[in-house]
Amino acid sequence: GAGVSQSPRYKVTKRGQDVTLRCDPISSHATLYWYQQALGQGPEFLTYFNYEAQPDKSGLPSDRFSAERPEGSISTLTIQRTEQRDSAMYRCASSPARGSGELFFGEGSRLTVL
Amino acid sequence: QKEVEQDPGPLSVPEGAIVSLNCTYSNSAFQYFMWYRQYSRKGPELLMYTYSSGNKEDGRFTAQVDKSSKYISLFIRDSQPSDSATYLCAMKGSWGKLQFGAGTQVVVTP
Repeated sequence: GAGVSQSPRYKVTKRGQDVTLRCDPISSHATLYWYQQALGQGPEFLTYFNYEAQPDKSGLPSDRFSAERPEGSISTLTIQRTEQRDSAMYRCASSPARGSGELFFGEGSRLTVL
Repeated sequence: QKEVEQDPGPLSVPEGAIVSLNCTYSNSAFQYFMWYRQYSRKGPELLMYTYSSGNKEDGRFTAQVDKSSKYISLFIRDSQPSDSATYLCAMKGSWGKLQFGAGTQVVVTP
């Protein structure tokens, strides 16, 4: 696509529910990143993919968080048994190559856990 | 202690002034240094990208990298109200994750 697309843009859920966020990167981009951004803070790294491989998931806060990119294109971030502290903006970004620092960000998915 | 430190501001300057932003870092493996700009309720967008120590200029923007001091800077000349945004420094090694600073909020008043 022309840009990075994320859905849903807004998600409100109750504590304990599972949520899945979706990212559709720029079609030619090999690398895809997930970041968590709290209000007034910079993006915090969660994980990244190079095509379908996931070389680094060190930023995932707990085993409730998981991400997939099974065909090297669209990616999903799933949070199981959500907690209030999971409330944040979740940003996806794609990059033409693994070594590139040029990331193209989507509009983000704002998650609110009640 | 975080690997990338950035003063969150806010930094308020009058229109036409020079804006000076900086970050320090602790990881010697960082080789690529970037500045991203983020407008309210938007995703970050790349502003400047540097590899080695030294200066890089692009229009009103100048990025400086001092690897020996682990210090990077961004200067905005002739600042405009449209420059009001949060500026995020970011850096990475050869591969892998891009680490961001906390971001500095800049307000340029007419």
